[in-house]
Amino acid sequence: DAGVIQSPRHEVTEMGQEVTLRCKPISGHNSLFWYRQTMMRGLELLIYFNNNVPIDDSGMPEDRFSAKMPNASFSTLKIQPSEPRDSAVYFCASSLRVTGNTIYFGEGSWLTVV
Amino acid sequence: TQLLEQSPQFLSIQEGENLTVYCNSSSVFSSLQWYRQEPGEGPVLLVTVVTGGEVKKLKRLTFQFGDARKDSSLHITAAQPGDTGLYLCAGATTSGTYKYIFGTGTRLKVLA
Repeated sequence: DAGVIQSPRHEVTEMGQEVTLRCKPISGHNSLFWYRQTMMRGLELLIYFNNNVPIDDSGMPEDRFSAKMPNASFSTLKIQPSEPRDSAVYFCASSLRVTGNTIYFGEGSWLTVV
Repeated sequence: TQLLEQSPQFLSIQEGENLTVYCNSSSVFSSLQWYRQEPGEGPVLLVTVVTGGEVKKLKRLTFQFGDARKDSSLHITAAQPGDTGLYLCAGATTSGTYKYIFGTGTRLKVLA
């Protein structure tokens, strides 16, 4: 079975450019999470969708960040305009909406903003 | 804000030694999970504990959930180089949103 698929795996972009990260969750999962990982701040939850609806976006750092889930099999995280401090690994994860269920992570999108 | 503090942050030990990693919070969680992350990959689930006081074993790894469901520990017996990685605890909130908050992480290195 395919796991969570993220693209791109690596992206280097210039400050001010728009960045779009993509995610395909595991088929059948109804919860989708976007996390950001840095050495300084660890793994931070940015936004959480359930049945394609954003449930909690309190972790989104500022208005430059936006996320969408137009259908059950696709989500995007967009940064516009990007800044050097956005450099991090961005993980998409999915699970079934049951307490204690496993969260399955993608391999991450490594973003460098120069 | 719910925070999960892990200790120690870094740990370097010799093969064959035992170790314990702690995960603490002032908040109550409905369940707690432990993940291991290797370089270049996403975290992978090791175990889920749900009941206060619960103990689970996975080969040489022993996980315990605190009685009050605010803390947890991971004990590794006779560590091996293959145990090297970043260990993360994650707590599910009790609010019903099934939101998982991750701990600060413990980076373990086991030397051969």
